[in-house]
Amino acid sequence: AQTVTQSQPEMSVQEAETVTLSCTYDTSESNYYLFWYKQPPSRQMILVIRQEAYKQQNATENRFSVNFQKAAKSFSLKISDSQLGDTAMYFCAFMSSNYQLIWGAGTKLIIKP
Amino acid sequence: DVKVTQSSRYLVKRTGEKVFLECVQDMDHENMFWYRQDPGLGLRLIYFSYDVKMKEKGDIPEGYSVSREKKERFSLILESASTNQTSMYLCASSLLGGRSSYEQYFGPGTRLTVT
Repeated sequence: AQTVTQSQPEMSVQEAETVTLSCTYDTSESNYYLFWYKQPPSRQMILVIRQEAYKQQNATENRFSVNFQKAAKSFSLKISDSQLGDTAMYFCAFMSSNYQLIWGAGTKLIIKP
Repeated sequence: DVKVTQSSRYLVKRTGEKVFLECVQDMDHENMFWYRQDPGLGLRLIYFSYDVKMKEKGDIPEGYSVSREKKERFSLILESASTNQTSMYLCASSLLGGRSSYEQYFGPGTRLTVT
């Protein structure tokens, strides 16, 4: 069975610092997609960044980037120059060939002023 | 912008009641999903639908049913609510097929309390 593990239930950093959220997954598939979603307090879940497994280049979206290590089945999210608005629950998710998402338990990220 | 709306943000029901949670999306998406979100467990898929009147069980369908009579609307039904169904319920939608189907768009969630 495919699983997604986020080992950090909660993290906090000072504003403007860089923070890395960890995610590992388990699958026997070779083609898949990985996602980081963000759920701000009392607001809707939104997609932060997506990585296609067949692409070796790490995805980046402005201040958000990933470190995708396929062999190690690791998919960490780096947030640079963190802002107060980055405070949220962050979920790592895996999508296999059936288009269904398998989710990690989430990491609560707090950005302190 | 894609908009996914859910009928209630907060709902309190009694054990044994029949509960309806409704979700509407305005982007003509084929796929619609119902998830349950619990602390420490992430999101778990209850049911999904890839077309009108079509439904597929997810990982935790027991105690739930769904209805999709129109493309834009996907309802989750708790036939006889129980206290262990107290949770946050999230609805999502996505396009069918191709790379565009990979992003799911979420509603604001319904926090259901069963007493």
